[in-house]
Amino acid sequence: GENVEQHPSTLSVQEGDSAVIKCTYSDSASNYFPWYKQELGKRPQLIIDIRSNVGEKKDQRIAVTLNKTAKHFSLHITETQPEDSAVYFCAASIPGRRALTFGSGTRLQVQP
Amino acid sequence: EAGVVQSPRYKIIEKKQPVAFWCNPISGHNTLYWYRQNLGQGPELLIRYENEEAVDDSQLPKDRFSAERLKGVDSTLKIQPAELGDSAVYLCASSLDSGADQPQHFGDGTRLSIL
Repeated sequence: GENVEQHPSTLSVQEGDSAVIKCTYSDSASNYFPWYKQELGKRPQLIIDIRSNVGEKKDQRIAVTLNKTAKHFSLHITETQPEDSAVYFCAASIPGRRALTFGSGTRLQVQP
Repeated sequence: EAGVVQSPRYKIIEKKQPVAFWCNPISGHNTLYWYRQNLGQGPELLIRYENEEAVDDSQLPKDRFSAERLKGVDSTLKIQPAELGDSAVYLCASSLDSGADQPQHFGDGTRLSIL
C-alpha cells in the first residue's frame, strides 16, 4: 500500500520567515495530494491541494510543489504569522482505494 | 454551508463497555469516511461508504468495530467491547463523491478515552 513520510516533525520559525514541509510517497500512481492544518483539539482543515497534472499551486501565502519523478511534494508558507502555528499533515490518495494516506505531521511553531 | 457534524465531542468509558459515535456529513456528500487518529499521528482510514454501501472496510477491526449508514446520510461507528488501545480521536469526513481527487472535509471528531 501507499506510504507517506513527512519531515520535519517539528519546525520553529520566526514571524515573517518562510516555512517548508516536505513529504515523500511510495506509490507512483498516486494522483492527489492535499495538505491539512490541525489546531489543537480541532478538525483537520484542508488548506491546499494539488493534482498530479500540475507541478505547482499557490494560494496567497501558501504554495505546494509536486515532483512526480522524485515522488515528493512540499508545502511552502511565506511571511509566517503566529496564527500559522499548528500541526500540518500531508496526504496522498491511494490508487484504487480512493482514500487518503496521511503523513505523521509537522508541528509548526511561529515565534512572534 | 454546515460542515461535518460529529457527536459526542468527548467520551470516557471503562474498558469492555460499548460506545457509539455519530456523524452527519455535509449535505449532498455521497461519500463518508471514518478515520482514527492516535496521539501525534495522522488519521488512518477505518471505513469508507458510498451512499449506504461500505465499499472499503479492510482496515476496520471487525471483531469489535461495526458501522452503518442506513439511509446514505448519517452514520454511526460502534465499538463493543472497547479496549484500552482504542483510545484515540475518531474523525468522520465526507466528500462529494469518491473520486480520488475529491477534497475530504473533516468533523471535529470524538475523543475517546478508555479507563
